[in-house]
Amino acid sequence: SQKIEQNSEALNIQEGKTATLTCNYTNYSPAYLQWYRQDPGRGPVFLLLIRENEKEKRKERLKVTFDTTLKQSLFHITASQPADSATYLCALYSGYSTLTFGKGTMLLVSP
Amino acid sequence: NAGVTQTPKFQVLKTGQSMTLQCAQDMNHEYMSWYRQDPGMGLRLIHYSVGAGITDQGEVPNGYNVSRSTTEDFPLRLLSAAPSQTSVYFCASSPTGTGSYEQYFGPGTRLTVT
Repeated sequence: SQKIEQNSEALNIQEGKTATLTCNYTNYSPAYLQWYRQDPGRGPVFLLLIRENEKEKRKERLKVTFDTTLKQSLFHITASQPADSATYLCALYSGYSTLTFGKGTMLLVSP
Repeated sequence: NAGVTQTPKFQVLKTGQSMTLQCAQDMNHEYMSWYRQDPGMGLRLIHYSVGAGITDQGEVPNGYNVSRSTTEDFPLRLLSAAPSQTSVYFCASSPTGTGSYEQYFGPGTRLTVT
């Protein structure tokens, strides 16, 4: 089965810097990969999707890369703000209409 | 649109009791799913449905039943609650036409089994 690794330690950065979160996976390369944001006490919110034939995807201050050779996706938030503080989840399409989620990385942006 | 709604928000059960967690969506999504989220474990898929009348098991289905009689509703039933089922439960729906299965999550139900 597919395994996903996200850094379990919280990432602390200063406002204005670029935050980079990592998602590594084992086994087969998925057809696509998704990133979600989760705030405490709330359900995850879909942010971005990147397909296996795409190297990079952008949405406002967010950028996602997908390296199928390294089996890795990087999630960047540029010009980070305290409001970006949350847990970010990576999810891979597992086939048969299902997704496998990573455990998430908490991001803390200090003023 | 209300999106995905879940009731109740909180529930405390005694071991052996049964209950149904309700989930509804008003986006006409064919795909619906149930996840549980535990500290250090991430989101794990319990059951999912690709349309009315069609359900299948996910990663952790034991102790849970589902049915899908309408497109809008996807209830999760706990037949005999156990302390190991203490968790936060999320329902999600997804449009299938895009082929990408981005999930729209509900607000969650926090369940404690004593």
